[in-house]
Amino acid sequence: AQSVTQLDSQVPVFEEAPVELRCNYSSSVSVYLFWYVQYPNQGLQLLLKYLSGSTLVKGINGFEAEFNKSQTSFHLRKPSVHISDTAEYFCAVSPQNRDDKIIFGKGTRLHILP
Amino acid sequence: NAGVTQTPKFRVLKTGQSMTLLCAQDMNHEYMYWYRQDPGMGLRLIHYSVGEGTTAKGEVPDGYNVSRLKKQNFLLGLESAAPSQTSVYFCALGTGTTLSTDTQYFGPGTRLTVL
Repeated sequence: AQSVTQLDSQVPVFEEAPVELRCNYSSSVSVYLFWYVQYPNQGLQLLLKYLSGSTLVKGINGFEAEFNKSQTSFHLRKPSVHISDTAEYFCAVSPQNRDDKIIFGKGTRLHILP
Repeated sequence: NAGVTQTPKFRVLKTGQSMTLLCAQDMNHEYMYWYRQDPGMGLRLIHYSVGEGTTAKGEVPDGYNVSRLKKQNFLLGLESAAPSQTSVYFCALGTGTTLSTDTQYFGPGTRLTVL
């Protein structure tokens, strides 16, 4: 079975500063990886996903994530955050070797400080 | 929300009451999901469906039932509500052809309180 750990429940960062949200996964097989974002009082929406190919994945709103197989990580980064990035971010994983459901992490709340 | 609607948006129940949450899509996608979201617990899958007439259990199915009689609608039922079912419920629509690679589009959520 797969599992995903988001190492920080909350991350405060000043506006226009860079941010990294950490995600580690555990799996005995190769995986697909996802980042979703949830803005206040809304449902989740896909930021980006890694299925294959380049380990650096670019998503919407200037976010990118890098798949690191040796460290079993898929950290999300943005070089300069804006107040509108205030949201909760969820990392998710699914197995490549069979058709099975996506498992979500517990989320990281990003607080942008003025 | 990519054509996913949830009804109702808010509901307060007493312990033991029953209710049904409706998720509707205005497209023609096969995969639909019901999740619950609780503080510090992230998103947990309750049940899902890979097509009309099919349903399957997720991580936390106990106390819930679902039906997918029509492709457009995925219903989540609580037969006898308990305070532990107080949560925000999200329906999601999957636009892919496999569960593992599916991009999910989420509805706006239903906030349920059980007293």
